[in-house]
Amino acid sequence: RKEVEQDPGPFNVPEGATVAFNCTYSNSASQSFFWYRQDCRKEPKLLMSVYSSGNEDGRFTAQLNRASQYISLLIRDSKLSDSATYLCVVTRGGTASKLTFGTGTRLQVTL
Amino acid sequence: NAGVMQNPRHLVRRRGQEARLRCSPMKGHSHVYWYRQLPEEGLKFMVYLQKENIIDESGMPKERFSAEFPKEGPSILRIQQVVRGDSAAYFCASSPGQGVRNEQFFGPGTRLTVL
Repeated sequence: RKEVEQDPGPFNVPEGATVAFNCTYSNSASQSFFWYRQDCRKEPKLLMSVYSSGNEDGRFTAQLNRASQYISLLIRDSKLSDSATYLCVVTRGGTASKLTFGTGTRLQVTL
Repeated sequence: NAGVMQNPRHLVRRRGQEARLRCSPMKGHSHVYWYRQLPEEGLKFMVYLQKENIIDESGMPKERFSAEFPKEGPSILRIQQVVRGDSAAYFCASSPGQGVRNEQFFGPGTRLTVL
């Protein structure tokens, strides 16, 4: 079983739609959680950290459920520029700072 | 303030040759991480280095791969006797310190193609 699992998609949505991505992780020792965005053939870039209390950054909302080992990302009012692959990332933290990536969920926003 | 620099951006090697990938971290960053992304797969951790020290190499293949981060100069990921399966994008990331609150900033990657 993969340590971080995501639905690969693609999710094809019209501009203005709301779309949600989910991610599950298997290692209960995971301490920190992130969503990264990766455009085609580019490097991943941090979109937002994910906290147990949930957090929002503009049109983006991230949630963490430690009991279910489940992370979500909600994008409201989708823009064409949101088209990318969204990577769910976990780390055990402390000295083990390596990031463990999911394979990503591809989003395509259309006119 | 320049970001993480990687070169070359594209590298073509024939089977059996050596590949050297270079990474210069962001100014002020002393921690470097290498990740590999195979086609249609997620990024996989390879190695974590600080200046002159390998901290975690649990993701490195046991043979042909090595990494260093000398006191002066960039970090180098070296692949000896490359095979077709080594074709991938190799990303380097840097952070200013240890621990999860130190965001890792990624370089543009080196795309290695083995013929």
